[in-house]
Amino acid sequence: AQSVTQLDSQVPVFEEAPVELRCNYSSSVSVYLFWYVQYPNQGLQLLLKYLSGSTLVESINGFEAEFNKSQTSFHLRKPSVHISDTAEYFCAVTGGYQKVTFGIGTKLQVIP
Amino acid sequence: DGGITQSPKYLFRKEGQNVTLSCEQNLNHDAMYWYRQDPGQGLRLIYYSQIVNDFQKGDIAEGYSVSREKKESFPLTVTSAQKNPTAFYLCASSAAQDRGYGYTFGSGTRLTVV
Repeated sequence: AQSVTQLDSQVPVFEEAPVELRCNYSSSVSVYLFWYVQYPNQGLQLLLKYLSGSTLVESINGFEAEFNKSQTSFHLRKPSVHISDTAEYFCAVTGGYQKVTFGIGTKLQVIP
Repeated sequence: DGGITQSPKYLFRKEGQNVTLSCEQNLNHDAMYWYRQDPGQGLRLIYYSQIVNDFQKGDIAEGYSVSREKKESFPLTVTSAQKNPTAFYLCASSAAQDRGYGYTFGSGTRLTVV
């Protein structure tokens, strides 16, 4: 079985400050990892993903995530957040023949 | 542009009624999924389908039904047996043969019991 743990349900941060949203996973097989973003009353959008190769992956809007196999983590970071980054962020994992498992989400609140 | 269309965006249901949520995709994806989202509980899988005319129960299928008569369409019916249907419902699709593709989501339907 696989699982995803998002350790923080809400993260308040001031505008232009750095942020880290934490994600840990468990799986007995090799995994693919994803981060999705959800703006209010909308569906989820794929932000970035790790499939293989370089452990650091980046999105087009300045977010990055690093796959750490030894710590079974895939934390999402941004060096300087903007008001428009206010949203809920979901970590997800899939491995072997299993369906995607989503975390419960972390609400990022950017304070002006 | 390719994508997933969910309709309606808002839906109100009276006690004892069945309602059907529409999900259509033009991405040529084989797999489609229905999730329910409640505050603080993340996404919970209701049903999924990997091929036309076949579907499987997810983690919370009781009180729901689906059909997959066409590749493009995967409607969800919320029956009167679902005791607490008020929630945000999300439809998603993926290229089933490429697990690294990720999911494409629709914009959701918010169902409220009145």
